[in-house]
Amino acid sequence: EPEVTQTPSHQVTQMGQEVILRCVPISNHLYFYWYRQILGQKVEFLVSFYNNEISEKSEIFDDQFSVERPDGSNFTLKIRSTKLEDSAMYFCASSGQGGEGTEAFFGQGTRLTVV
Amino acid sequence: QKEVEQNSGPLSVPEGAIASLNCTYSDRGSQSFFWYRQYSGKSPELIMFIYSNGDKEDGRFTAQLNKASQYVSLLIRDSQPSDSATYLCAVRPWGNTPLVFGKGTRLSVIA
Repeated sequence: EPEVTQTPSHQVTQMGQEVILRCVPISNHLYFYWYRQILGQKVEFLVSFYNNEISEKSEIFDDQFSVERPDGSNFTLKIRSTKLEDSAMYFCASSGQGGEGTEAFFGQGTRLTVV
Repeated sequence: QKEVEQNSGPLSVPEGAIASLNCTYSDRGSQSFFWYRQYSGKSPELIMFIYSNGDKEDGRFTAQLNKASQYVSLLIRDSQPSDSATYLCAVRPWGNTPLVFGKGTRLSVIA
């Protein structure tokens, strides 16, 4: 069964360092998303990406964040200068083309710990 | 501000019983509704989705949608200890717009 894959599964970084989280969406999907979940809190939307550009972003997705699709398969989230409060699980998700009921499948997540 | 509300629980049910999980949402125009299961430290796993009023059944799971009341529920029949997890309700306003999640309901199935 096709799945969304994310690397690394766990990343520890020093405050102020840059991190890049990587995702390989399901191959025939067209819509890509990043969400995050701070420990004990709800899943929050960060950014969506379609047709090689950002289609929507939340208030959380400020200038410290960027997304890229460097090739036909990878989808990356970069945090330029990490803060302690960036510590969270980061989930990549993808959806196919469709209207109502289009499913969104999640990757296994990257646990980011900023120290 | 689009909101999705869930009772955080924990909801405890004995093995073999029916677990009933509820969710309300604020955006009346929302079109698609999803239930995810999340084990501690893991990613959300899609259980099922619904977009028409009424019931939708998939194995032991039944999703119910009432758009007039802005209410979605998930019934789990013959609950098993392995069903113990947090259940996330998510709402999609339309098309492929981002999901808006509730905080989740923690379910505990007691053997």
